[in-house]
Amino acid sequence: DAGVIQSPRHEVTEMGQEVTLRCKPISGHDYLFWYRQTMMRGLELLIYFNNNVPIDDSGMPEDRFSAKMPNASFSTLKIQPSEPRDSAVYFCASSLGGGPSSYEQYFGPGTRLTVT
Amino acid sequence: QKEVEQNSGPLSVPEGAIASLNCTYSDRGSQSFFWYRQYSGKSPELIMSIYSNGDKEDGRFTAQLNKASQYVSLLIRDSQPSDSATYLCAVNPGSSNTGKLIFGQGTTLQVKP
Repeated sequence: DAGVIQSPRHEVTEMGQEVTLRCKPISGHDYLFWYRQTMMRGLELLIYFNNNVPIDDSGMPEDRFSAKMPNASFSTLKIQPSEPRDSAVYFCASSLGGGPSSYEQYFGPGTRLTVT
Repeated sequence: QKEVEQNSGPLSVPEGAIASLNCTYSDRGSQSFFWYRQYSGKSPELIMSIYSNGDKEDGRFTAQLNKASQYVSLLIRDSQPSDSATYLCAVNPGSSNTGKLIFGQGTTLQVKP
C-alpha cells in the first residue's frame, strides 16, 4: 500500500489567501484524522471522520477552518482566510477503527504551511 | 492535569545504554496505548502498541503498561545514535469508543556516540 498521501508537501501563501490541503487515506481505513503540529502546542487533533462523516470537530480553531470528506479516498482541510498564526505542519492520518486493537494511526508526510 | 503527560527532555543516553521513556495518562478507562517515533522534519511513525498490563517486546523495544498506576513506558535497549528522535505517547480515551488518540507532548531522546 502507498500509505497516507498528502499534498502539497509545502505551501507558502500570503495572509488572507485561501489554502487547501489534501489527503488520501490508506485504502480500507474507516477513520481519517487531521492534526496540526507546532513547537509551542505539539500535535493537536483538529477533526476526524468515520466512514466519511465528521465525528468531532472540537479541535478546529475557528470558523476559518473547514474540512470535508466527499468519499472514502479523499479529504480536504481548508483555511480561509489564512493568517500567519496558522503556520504549522498539518498531518493527515488514517486507521482501520473497529475496536481498540485497530486504533493504530498511520500518518502522511505532512504539509508544511507558511503564511506570510 | 493534561490527559497524557511526558517529560519533554531531552533525555541523553550513551550509545549502547538502555533508554527509558515514560508516560502517564488521566483516563482510567483507556484501553489502547501507542508509541510513535518522530524524526526532525518527518511525520510520526508507529513503533509499538500495547493493550494489556505487562510487557510487550519487539526487537530492541519493550513497551510496559500498568493500568492501575496509569503508566506506560518504552524501553530501548542497546540505544543507537539512529534512535535519536522525539518519542510520542498516544492513548485512546476509554470514554470515546472511537479511534481518537490523545498525544503527549513527546520526549526528545539523544543517543550520544
